[in-house]
Amino acid sequence: DAKTTQPNSMESNEEEPVHLPCNHSTISGTDYIHWYRQLPSQGPEYVIHGLTSNVNNRMASLAIAEDRKSSTLILHRATLRDAAVYYCILRDNDMRFGAGTRLTVKP
Amino acid sequence: DVKVTQSSRYLVKRTGEKVFLECVQDMDHENMFWYRQDPGLGLRLIYFSYDVKMKEKGDIPEGYSVSREKKERFSLILESASTNQTSMYLCASSLLLYGYTFGSGTRLTVV
Repeated sequence: DAKTTQPNSMESNEEEPVHLPCNHSTISGTDYIHWYRQLPSQGPEYVIHGLTSNVNNRMASLAIAEDRKSSTLILHRATLRDAAVYYCILRDNDMRFGAGTRLTVKP
Repeated sequence: DVKVTQSSRYLVKRTGEKVFLECVQDMDHENMFWYRQDPGLGLRLIYFSYDVKMKEKGDIPEGYSVSREKKERFSLILESASTNQTSMYLCASSLLLYGYTFGSGTRLTVV
């Protein structure tokens, strides 16, 4: 079973920030938090990952709660190309996916 | 960039046929994975492998087998294809505990 919980869907307006939440209350001390996204008709692609500290890259930011039981993927300015299913995963020796969050971006 | 290549984008097979789905990665990754993706069910792990000739069952291995004779190649085998195996199949690879790279997927239809 997936170890993470995400909302089924979210909507955003273009050019606005988006905060995608993920709960992982059973996370262990060595689990990395990974985020992937899947665009239509493509395989999932890596977005970002972190362990304890907040992380930034060119695609997004990852904010990790102090107790590590939740995290938030932040898209600073959503574009139409960001419409996808976003998956939050705990990375141990194998990776189970949940259903993810389907992000809709409105023009 | 790491590339994971799946041999076919679309495949149509008949019920009872033996089907091979091939996956090749070019970055010397130890770990390789096979998932299937169905509407409303997300990605489900079928099999994975941590090294050559090693394999582990995922959550839905029934009706499937795998082969990993070389590090770069991980094959998924449907011994006797059935209509309920119609799905999108995704292969992925990773280096140890780092991020995963996925292929573009093979959409298999069993008629």
